[in-house]
Amino acid sequence: KAGVTQTPRYLIKTRGQQVTLSCSPISGHRSVSWYQQTPGQGLQFLFEYFSETQRNKGNFPGRFSGRQFSNSRSEMNVSTLELGDSALYLCASRDRSSNTGELFFGEGSRLTVL
Amino acid sequence: GQQVMQIPQYQHVQEGEDFTTYCNSSTTLSNIQWYKQRPGGHPVFLIQLVKSGEVKKQKRLTFQFGEAKKNSSLHITATQTTDVGTYFCAGPPSSNDYKLSFGAGTTVTVRA
Repeated sequence: KAGVTQTPRYLIKTRGQQVTLSCSPISGHRSVSWYQQTPGQGLQFLFEYFSETQRNKGNFPGRFSGRQFSNSRSEMNVSTLELGDSALYLCASRDRSSNTGELFFGEGSRLTVL
Repeated sequence: GQQVMQIPQYQHVQEGEDFTTYCNSSTTLSNIQWYKQRPGGHPVFLIQLVKSGEVKKQKRLTFQFGEAKKNSSLHITATQTTDVGTYFCAGPPSSNDYKLSFGAGTTVTVRA
């Protein structure tokens, strides 16, 4: 099986712009979560989508949004970018019917805001 | 909200030595997971512990889940250069709420 695929891998934006990141989960996985990773802060939970519905949401401002499509692919959008949004954005998928809650992470999208 | 803390933040180890990293949650966890992230890579699942007091071993790695299901530890024996990376613990507050909270991680470097 192919792993979790995230695009783009790297991108540079300027303050005030908006960005859309894409995530294709492992085939058969219907749950997709997004995390923001910054140095020293670990992984901060953004949101989880399952069956096209947002199931959980982290403590991020409304500028961060996401959606999931019927094929389980997910996108996240960040509007009005700020310098502090520079981070590695990780997408993870999991099989909710599995006994383990193992998350399968993609390689991430590294966003730099100038 | 739920907070997961890990100590130490950095661990510099001489090759061949043992070390332990600790994970503490402010709330009871339904399970605890450990992930490893190599430099420049993405987190990779290592193990999940579910039962109170559970201990699991993977070769030189020993994982333990506390009796109160609020803390966990990872012990690595005879550290090798392949152990370099950041180790994260993570846990959901309940089996129905999968808002997985990660600790800030323990970054391990190894002196040959």
